[in-house]
Amino acid sequence: AQRVTQPEKLLSVFKGAPVELKCNYSYSGSPELFWYVQYSRQRLQLLLRHISRESIKGFTADLNKGETSFHLKKPFAQEEDSAMYYCALSVLSIQGAQKLVFGQGTRLTINP
Amino acid sequence: DAGITQSPRHKVTETGTPVTLRCHQTENHRYMYWYRQDPGHGLRLIHYSYGVKDTDKGEVSDGYSVSRSKTEDFLLTLESATSSQTSVYFCAISSGSSGNTIYFGEGSWLTVV
Repeated sequence: AQRVTQPEKLLSVFKGAPVELKCNYSYSGSPELFWYVQYSRQRLQLLLRHISRESIKGFTADLNKGETSFHLKKPFAQEEDSAMYYCALSVLSIQGAQKLVFGQGTRLTINP
Repeated sequence: DAGITQSPRHKVTETGTPVTLRCHQTENHRYMYWYRQDPGHGLRLIHYSYGVKDTDKGEVSDGYSVSRSKTEDFLLTLESATSSQTSVYFCAISSGSSGNTIYFGEGSWLTVV
């Protein structure tokens, strides 16, 4: 069965410190993974996906198939990074739909 | 932002009453989805659609039905609302295929009392 685990519900760091949000997945096929960010009571926004390997707002994430992980990192946290972060795994249905399996989310707080 | 509109944005209803949430898109995307967001569970897929009149169940479909009579509209109905269906509901759209971006609506806050 497909599963995404984000072990930290809450994470608090100081401004300027490095940030790492953990994500582990379980999937028998070739994984397609995403990180979404949700600012207070707003829609989910795509932060990045492993296929594009691009860096958004200074965040990066590397897919490690051996450890089945897709951790999100940023070298220097900023106060505007405070938000809820979701790791998600895309599972294609037989009709071609991209069904997302989400982790429980990590609420990141950046302290001044 | 992708052209996705959800209505109503906020609703309070009584247990046992039917409720319909609407998702409207202007992107002409083939696939549409309904998720619910609950603390400790992240988002979970309720139902999805892969075309007009074509729908399928997601992970938490019990107590929900959906309909899609036009490409742009995807309706989620709670036939008889229960307190366990108090949640935030998000609609999402995608053009399909691996690598494509999935866009989310702004959410509908539903409280069942």
